[in-house]
Amino acid sequence: EVQLEESGGGLIQPGGSLRLSCAASGFSVSRYYMNWVRQAPGKGLEWVSVIYSGVSTHYADSVKGRFTISRDNSKNTVYLQMNSLGAQDTAVYYCARGPEVGGSGSFHLDYWGRGALVTVSS
Amino acid sequence: SYVLTQPPSVSVAPGKTARITCGGNNIGSKSVHWYQQKPGQAPVMVIYYDSDRPSGIPERVSGSNSGNTATLTISRVEAGDEADYYCQVWDSSSDHPVVFGGGTKLTVL
Repeated sequence: EVQLEESGGGLIQPGGSLRLSCAASGFSVSRYYMNWVRQAPGKGLEWVSVIYSGVSTHYADSVKGRFTISRDNSKNTVYLQMNSLGAQDTAVYYCARGPEVGGSGSFHLDYWGRGALVTVSS
Repeated sequence: SYVLTQPPSVSVAPGKTARITCGGNNIGSKSVHWYQQKPGQAPVMVIYYDSDRPSGIPERVSGSNSGNTATLTISRVEAGDEADYYCQVWDSSSDHPVVFGGGTKLTVL
């Protein structure tokens, strides 16, 4: 059974750093496009970042230069390092699985974790 | 960057048909995916590849995509369908390729 579990959220002061983790089970993160999607309170979904094929990454303009996505295949875990956090980063952060790398299909997010709440406030 | 436009809200009576649109420039040339999100829960994919249903999604949920509009259709609407719905595409020409629509709140009257 495919499962994703986020951890590492919490309350952080403006300008601070936080690292989120997404532990996967039931599949290998190395074989899939792995994503972070966030949702600010009362707002819609905002895609944040994706990692695939080991070193390929993309970021939303709103986090580029501040956030870094990475993964540890041995732990089957994806990370999101968040630096220089501001109030605009307050959100629930979801880990979501995309398609298998090298597959012929299009890009949809078939499994999601329950999310980790990040609150940036003094 | 590519923009997807959804109506903020749609209201429908129980047993009727709800249609939620997702507009984008020549969206018919892309694959559109739809997610349902209930309050306090993570999103769940309900349609992929324009019109395919994941296992467990009832047949009364369907999708279509042509021209500049994709549509999510829910027939015989039930109270349990009340949720936010988001469309999503992959914009291969962009450095931030995953695009979501702004979401539509479906209210069952």
